[in-house]
Amino acid sequence: AQKITQTQPGMFVQEKEAVTLDCTYDTSDPSYGLFWYKQPSSGEMIFLIYQGSYDQQNATEGRYSLNFQKARKSANLVISASQLGDSAMYFCAMREGGNRDDKIIFGKGTRLHILP
Amino acid sequence: DTGVSQDPRHKITKRGQNVTFRCDPISEHNRLYWYRQTLGQGPEFLTYFQNEAQLEKSRLLSDRFSAERPKGSFSTLEIQRTEQGDSAMYLCASVGLREAFFGQGTRLTVV
Repeated sequence: AQKITQTQPGMFVQEKEAVTLDCTYDTSDPSYGLFWYKQPSSGEMIFLIYQGSYDQQNATEGRYSLNFQKARKSANLVISASQLGDSAMYFCAMREGGNRDDKIIFGKGTRLHILP
Repeated sequence: DTGVSQDPRHKITKRGQNVTFRCDPISEHNRLYWYRQTLGQGPEFLTYFQNEAQLEKSRLLSDRFSAERPKGSFSTLEIQRTEQGDSAMYLCASVGLREAFFGQGTRLTVV
């Protein structure tokens, strides 16, 4: 079973609108972390934001925020006031806790297109 | 610049040849991960190190792949007897407690 699910293969959004990219995860470990990355056409993986399972507040970094709903096992990325430069592939990833099973696994990604 | 460097950026090799890639992580990070990414897919986990210890190796990794991290600093990933199916982007991630930064990757083309 997939541990990270991104159900939107592609999205088209008008510039300046807010965007929500969906991510659900599956784990039985109470300690885990969630990451979001942006990958533009140039190929580099850009780290955007991190949310720990025990964090009291939802993570925010500039225009990026994470809508973390622990009971639903969802960690959606919200981009406010979208810009043309936000057009890229976005990946959600999870690291489960514990010292022996600490790999970070990725979802299949969502391709975001920002329209002028 | 994430502070993680990978070398080379591009490698074209003939099938059957051996190749080696290098990753220099952020010095404060003791964890280093290797991933492979093909077009249109998310990164696939290959292996990871905590300091010099290799803690896990994916079942995707055949015996032709080997990775090292001597002295817990830089890491190398070697592919022996390359096959066309090895063509991909190979990514290295330097991982801290609450962040994981990637290098720019090595794009391998096997001809």
